[in-house]
Formats: sequence, C-alpha cells, structure tokens
Amino acid sequence: NAGVTQTPKFRVLKTGQSMTLLCAQDMNHEYMYWYRQDPGMGLRLIHYSVGEGTTAKGEVPDGYNVSRLKKQNFLLGLESAAPSQTSVYFCASSFGQPNQPQHFGDGTRLSIL
Amino acid sequence: QQQVKQSPQSLIVQKGGISIINCAYENTAFDYFPWYQQFPGKGPALLIAIRPDVSEKKEGRFTISFNKSAKQFSLHIMDSQPGDSATYFCAAEALIYGGATNKLIFGTGTLLAVQP
Repeated sequence: NAGVTQTPKFRVLKTGQSMTLLCAQDMNHEYMYWYRQDPGMGLRLIHYSVGEGTTAKGEVPDGYNVSRLKKQNFLLGLESAAPSQTSVYFCASSFGQPNQPQHFGDGTRLSIL
Repeated sequence: QQQVKQSPQSLIVQKGGISIINCAYENTAFDYFPWYQQFPGKGPALLIAIRPDVSEKKEGRFTISFNKSAKQFSLHIMDSQPGDSATYFCAAEALIYGGATNKLIFGTGTLLAVQP
C-alpha cells in the first residue's frame, strides 16, 4: 500500500542545473499538489493539478514548472536551480472533493549550492 | 486574508500534561479546518478536522475547539505522551475562484516536544 511516493529522497544540485522531481500515487486520486516546506513558513503551494493534463499555479510558482501527463504522476521541474529553491518538497494527492484529506509523500530534500 | 496564523512556534510539555496550539484566520470563506501531524523525515498526515458548524470535535486524546465569531481554532492534546512529539500544522480549506478544489492554506507549524 504505497500511497504517495516521491523520488528522489535527497538531491544536491549546483546553481543553474535542472532537475525533475517525480510524484506517483496509487489511490486513483484526481487532484495532486506540490508544496515546499521551509523553516518557520509552513507548507506553501507551488502548483497543483485537478486532473490529468491540467495544471495551475499556486502561491509560489516562480522558477518551477509541472506536468501531469498521467493521472497517477505529477512532475515538478526546476529549469535553472537557484539557492533560494533549497527546501523540502512535498507532493500530495486527494480525491478533490471539499473537506477531503490530502495524502502526502515523505518529501524530497533538495539543496542548491 | 488568505493567511492562517499559528502559535506558538514551539512548545515543551511534560508527559501527562495538556498541549495547546492556537490558530487564527481572517477569510470567512474558509469552511474546513484540518490539523496535520508531521514526524521527522515524514510527510504531514491528517490528524483531526472540523467544520465551522460545530464548536468542538474530539478524537481520543485530541480535541479541536472552534470559535467561529473570533475566527480562531485550537488543538488540545490531553495526557500528552512522548510519542506525540512532532510538528503540528493547522490549515484551512479555501475555494479557488469558486471552483471545486480543496486547496489548503497552512499555518507555520508548532514543534511539540513532550518530555518524559
């Protein structure tokens, strides 16, 4: 019973490098979300998707892109990494109905040098 | 108006004591208030949630108290245990432009340490 799986778990990048974070869910959830977690700032929504082939901007979308080509996968891309993007990234998914819980993965810890 | 303010930032409680975490919001359109619990190295997990049409919800040792007029809600952990040591986030659900999505606005988190 995997739930929400994020890969990789850790990554160190140099400024200017690009990478993609992968999120996969096996709960047939319609909605998926990417958050970043920084000390003292809680979780902030980067981008989200309300269904396959759709994406939308969240609270802090600059510097990130996303794609939802398959219902079970949600990719977060950093085209040109910056030190300000050092953070822990969490993916979540839900059925998308009001008052339904979001299910989170265990995060990707990303350091940009 | 989209913020959820959470306090305290950190909390130390003795085993068996009561832990209290407070949150406040401004947006009256919020209609669902969950609390998430996060252990080190793990993602947040739903702990307990409440809707504004009730003033209190209890699940085991965990209770949410909700004050709609004051736009405040709080989490009470009774008989706190060392295993409760974690970071707790309050959140509020908002609609986006009237659309049907459960976008959550999170508080900044409270690091709880329960000493044995």
